[in-house]
Amino acid sequence: SQQGEEDPQALSIQEGENATMNCSYKTSINNLQWYRQNSGRGLVHLILIRSNEREKHSGRLRVTLDTSKKSSSLLITASRAADTASYFCATNNAGNMLTFGGGTRLMVKP
Amino acid sequence: NAGVTQTPKFQVLKTGQSMTLQCAQDMNHNSMYWYRQDPGMGLRLIYYSASEGTTDKGEVPNGYNVSRLNKREFSLRLESAAPSQTSVYFCASSDSASVQTQYFGPGTRLLVL
Repeated sequence: SQQGEEDPQALSIQEGENATMNCSYKTSINNLQWYRQNSGRGLVHLILIRSNEREKHSGRLRVTLDTSKKSSSLLITASRAADTASYFCATNNAGNMLTFGGGTRLMVKP
Repeated sequence: NAGVTQTPKFQVLKTGQSMTLQCAQDMNHNSMYWYRQDPGMGLRLIYYSASEGTTDKGEVPNGYNVSRLNKREFSLRLESAAPSQTSVYFCASSDSASVQTQYFGPGTRLLVL
């Protein structure tokens, strides 16, 4: 079963706009990670946020974590056509596994 | 560094045939994983190996076997392929099992007829 559920499932925006994706999960976590998958490719790690952190930045990416609501959001600012991809959240509960959500498909139109 | 490599890139099997998917990593990572991704869905863990010499079942292990051949290599075997195993298979590795940032290979597309 999937631990994380992304919302929305699909998002279409214009270049230059901001894109926000949300992830909800069910059980307590050690950390939450976001990955990007370009069409036909493997996943690429974007950012990791630990359970005791509330916000993290990496370049144009901003991730927030609200453990009381069991939710996280990924904000991509000033989006570019090259940001077109699927984005997945993944939770690390305990032990050696990540559990992935179903993903958000982002299309950025030039 | 090549990172995580997978072979083959694409394979067509008939129902009942067997095959082994190969995965290798050159990052000296301890942990390795096999996932499957069905159309429009996230990844589901089939098996993982937290360290050389150990393997454990993930969420969807039925119909698969794995071998952690050495620290670099982790193979996935389908003994008797079924159409339900048509999917894209990804191998991944991570340095620290506790932190779990994973590095993914390019995937193997498997079609079972």
